[in-house]
Amino acid sequence: DGGITQSPKYLFRKEGQNVTLSCEQNLNHDAMYWYRQDPGQGLRLIYYSQIVNDFQKGDIAEGYSVSREKKESFPLTVTSAQKNPTAFYLCASRTTPDQPQHFGDGTRLSIL
Amino acid sequence: EDKVVQSPLSLVVHEGDTVTLNCSYEVTNFRSLLWYKQEKKAPTFLFMLTSSGIEKKSGRLSSILDKKELFSILNITATQTGDSAVYLCAGLAGSARQLTFGSGTQLTVLP
Repeated sequence: DGGITQSPKYLFRKEGQNVTLSCEQNLNHDAMYWYRQDPGQGLRLIYYSQIVNDFQKGDIAEGYSVSREKKESFPLTVTSAQKNPTAFYLCASRTTPDQPQHFGDGTRLSIL
Repeated sequence: EDKVVQSPLSLVVHEGDTVTLNCSYEVTNFRSLLWYKQEKKAPTFLFMLTSSGIEKKSGRLSSILDKKELFSILNITATQTGDSAVYLCAGLAGSARQLTFGSGTQLTVLP
């Protein structure tokens, strides 16, 4: 089945540790996006990529990094510089620019 | 700075009621307004509205966009408990087609 797969579903981070969230899509979508959602709030854009080997910062990129080495993969690293990483992280992708974004099931990140 | 505001923040109704959810936006280089339904996990796409005054319908759900007044509404008729969710609206803009989301409306439908 085609879709967007995020893993793991739950992740725990220790102080000073970097963690990487996986996002894979087999929809042949060009653009991919990472969002952060805090309780009771909407989604905020962290990073996005429109083509392989290119990505741009969103509204809240500080403390995060990404790579886009393959069209189907867009991993997000939450670095130790992100002081408040506890949140629900959602990955999305779309085909052409005026098509809606579709989302994976998300990863919940917590601090130990 | 782009902004999307939804109201009400939460709403509790009984099955069979009709609800109207509101979304106002201030988005530079606006292209479209999108509605999503979120039940615990991934937001699922409902509607994409690009033209003003043209209603989109899907079963008991319908939505319309007013580009002059910069708002959209989502109507749900004959609500069911399965409609309980957070409803998000988002403005699509820019060359990268970025989405700016509102904070959502939490709808609870009681039996």
